[in-house]
Amino acid sequence: DGGITQSPKYLFRKEGQNVTLSCEQNLNHDAMYWYRQDPGQGLRLIYYSQIVNDFQKGDIAEGYSVSREKKESFPLTVTSAQKNPTAFYLCASSVTGTAISEAFFGQGTRLTVV
Amino acid sequence: AQKVTQAQTEISVVEKEDVTLDCVYETRDTTYYLFWYKQPPSGELVFLIRRNSFDEQNEISGRYSWNFQKSTSSFNFTITASQVVDSAVYFCALSARHPGSARQLTFGSGTQLTVLP
Repeated sequence: DGGITQSPKYLFRKEGQNVTLSCEQNLNHDAMYWYRQDPGQGLRLIYYSQIVNDFQKGDIAEGYSVSREKKESFPLTVTSAQKNPTAFYLCASSVTGTAISEAFFGQGTRLTVV
Repeated sequence: AQKVTQAQTEISVVEKEDVTLDCVYETRDTTYYLFWYKQPPSGELVFLIRRNSFDEQNEISGRYSWNFQKSTSSFNFTITASQVVDSAVYFCALSARHPGSARQLTFGSGTQLTVLP
């Protein structure tokens, strides 16, 4: 089945640790995105990538890093510099990177700092 | 700056009632796109509809209908004869260009719809 796979579904992190969230798509989409969702708020864009080996900061990139070495994969690292990382993280992809086509979303990773 | 406002944080209705979810947007871009997504309890967002700024025709898809009015910058979503399975968070989103920047997708804060049996 075509789609987006995020793993793990739940992740616990100790303060001061870096953690990496996985996102893989088999839709052959050029563009991939990472969003953060907090209770009562909409989705906020962390990073996006329109093509392999290229990515751009979104509205809340501080404390996060990404890579795009393969078209299918767009992992997100939450670094210790992110002061409030507890949130629900959603990965998405779309046919093009112009944000005019619909985006397909993964099921999300819920990150909790303990 | 572009902005999407969903003023209704939570709505509860009884099954079979009709319900309208409001969405108001702001942008200076003349070519933009509006979306509605549904987020069920499982977490992933499911695409429902896309509308471009040049197409103001209302659309109906089964029990769902959308009313796009440029004059009031609104893109409202109506569910007719609601069902328990419609319970979810619904997001309105806007794709538009920031001045001097690339097109971005901005989401509203979402409306939690609960349909009671």
